[in-house]
Amino acid sequence: AAGVIQSPRHLIKEKRETATLKCYPIPRHDTVYWYQQGPGQDPQFLISFYEKMQSDKGSIPDRFSAQQFSDYHSELNMSSLELGDSALYFCASSSSGTGGRTEAFFGQGTRLTVV
Amino acid sequence: AQSVAQPEDQVNVAEGNPLTVKCTYSVSGNPYLFWYVQYPNRGLQFLLKYITGDNLVKGSYGFEAEFNKSQTSFHLKKPSALVSDSALYFCAVRDSTDTGRRALTFGSGTRLQVQP
Repeated sequence: AAGVIQSPRHLIKEKRETATLKCYPIPRHDTVYWYQQGPGQDPQFLISFYEKMQSDKGSIPDRFSAQQFSDYHSELNMSSLELGDSALYFCASSSSGTGGRTEAFFGQGTRLTVV
Repeated sequence: AQSVAQPEDQVNVAEGNPLTVKCTYSVSGNPYLFWYVQYPNRGLQFLLKYITGDNLVKGSYGFEAEFNKSQTSFHLKKPSALVSDSALYFCAVRDSTDTGRRALTFGSGTRLQVQP
């Protein structure tokens, strides 16, 4: 079965550079979530999109932005990278049709290392 | 607001023994509760969920969880642990009455170590 695809799997950037992470949700899933997981920490919700509109916002820094495109894939853009941005970034997708009862399916994550 | 607490950073259990990983939650309305497992350098894998109905929910790999409304708990259990169950386990909650908030809130995670 198709899963959530994230690219790249690994990314190394220098401080103050920019990075773009991509997420391809499971087909027919209309909701995408982005999470950040620091070393030894639980996943922290950043932002979500439903039908290409931002639906919820968590602890996403102002230096980050994201969008969902017409084909439902999503991109997380990160600028002015800081060392503290080094983390595993997960994308998850779900179908909204069941009023929030559906579990979210997670991708393998993108490991971002800022040096 | 919705929150989850996993009081144990690590649980150690011998192979073949029963295991319990604890989770308590707080929501304004009714909870949708989820358990996920994370293996090293991998994404989170869904194990099971409670939405409504029977308080005992059965999931993947022989895991089950019991919803207790009065204690606001959703503990994960397995009758007989396997070494391969060793991983990081996350409990998550979503408030069913908060239609604007669909994202899950995760607990801090519990590392399960099953010794041979």
